[in-house]
Amino acid sequence: QVQLVESGGGVVQPGRSLRLSCEASRFMFSNFGMVWVRQAPGKGPEWVSFISYDASKKTYADSVKGRFTISRDNSKNTLYLQMNSLRAEDTAVYYCVKRVNFYFDYWGQGTPVTVSS
Amino acid sequence: QSALTQPRSVSGSPGQSVTISCAGTSSDVGTYNYVSWYQQHPGKALKLMIYDVTNRPSGVPDRFSGSKSDNTASLTISGLQAEDEGDYYCCSYAGTYTWVFGGGTKLTVL
Repeated sequence: QVQLVESGGGVVQPGRSLRLSCEASRFMFSNFGMVWVRQAPGKGPEWVSFISYDASKKTYADSVKGRFTISRDNSKNTLYLQMNSLRAEDTAVYYCVKRVNFYFDYWGQGTPVTVSS
Repeated sequence: QSALTQPRSVSGSPGQSVTISCAGTSSDVGTYNYVSWYQQHPGKALKLMIYDVTNRPSGVPDRFSGSKSDNTASLTISGLQAEDEGDYYCCSYAGTYTWVFGGGTKLTVL
């Protein structure tokens, strides 16, 4: 069974940075595109960012463009999300998600991020 | 990148059928046959229930079915069971490697 384990979440002040990691196992990580999806309290999920299997293609939601950077290390089976200039509205649970074609077949349990002074 | 529109809640009795709608635009649901549906139970990871509008992954009961008409997709659950209770989210591909989700529908099995 595919495993996706996120880490790096926590409480951070507005304007500061945080780096999320996602360790993938039990599938060929280097063959699949990955995404980050976040879910604010009481809200629906919001797609945040996509990275292709070889990192040649990266896309971002308008709400995070210029502040967040997605990356991956296929030698370590790990996905990252560097989050800079954090705002209160970035508060959410962040999920690491495996992408297949145009849908998402496996989700991690999520790591919570709270932006508050 | 506006969210898809779903009813906040639906309910049904065991054995009945319910349908959850997901309204998008001509930029997402209306253009692409890439609508997927996800189930979430409290404290659990989201689970894929339907992909590419109508397809069920292996292991998902055939009580779950999907459809689409113009800019609106739908998830129908027939023969409701207590374990179906939870939150359901639709998602559509929106082009150029971007996606948009719905706000979610809480399904209550009475």
